Amino acid sequence: KNEVEQSPQNLTAQEGEFITINCSYSVGISALHWLQQHPGGGIVSLFMLSSGKKKHGRLIATINIQEKHSSLHITASHPRDSAVYICAVRFTSGSRLTFGEGTQLTVNP
Amino acid sequence: DAGVIQSPRHEVTEMGQEVTLRCKPISGHNSLFWYRQTMMRGLELLIYFNNNVPIDDSGMPEDRFSAKMPNASFSTLKIQPSEPRDSAVYFCASSHRGENYEQYFGPGTRLTVT
Repeated sequence: KNEVEQSPQNLTAQEGEFITINCSYSVGISALHWLQQHPGGGIVSLFMLSSGKKKHGRLIATINIQEKHSSLHITASHPRDSAVYICAVRFTSGSRLTFGEGTQLTVNP
Repeated sequence: DAGVIQSPRHEVTEMGQEVTLRCKPISGHNSLFWYRQTMMRGLELLIYFNNNVPIDDSGMPEDRFSAKMPNASFSTLKIQPSEPRDSAVYFCASSHRGENYEQYFGPGTRLTVT
């Protein structure tokens, strides 16, 4: 069964902390996306990766194909990072994206 | 570029009525996606188009749902007849070429069926 699991479901941090959100999947994939959904509902694509590591500002995404695992890191977290972070994968056996349930991040000042 | 444009932003309708949601993708993008988001099921892909052709519509819940893309700059998602369980936020997204490329999301349409 093609599954995507995220952890933790909820995360509360203090401003400045280093944050890690994890995504595990069950079988081989062709691509993995990290999305950010703001409290107002808008969705922004943060990263799309199929191997290695990508960095954009304070955000870093890594993927380990052998372990079927990806992490999203936020350095020097800020209250404006508070959002739901969603992992989505395209399994090699299928044509559609499968979404994780999301991680609700709250960064307190 | 204005990004992906969706209309209406909010729609409230009565059960049994026809609902049409509209989407204008980013100019130059070849792929368009319709998603539905609910508290119970999270984000789900309903259908996606490549070069105006439906590629995967296996996520469309039932025959009451239909989607069209008559040209590269416009798509519609229609629900007829609508039911209360269709209440959700419907997102449209576009990308240069397919699901393995970065997708740009519209602001969503919040649909409430009473």
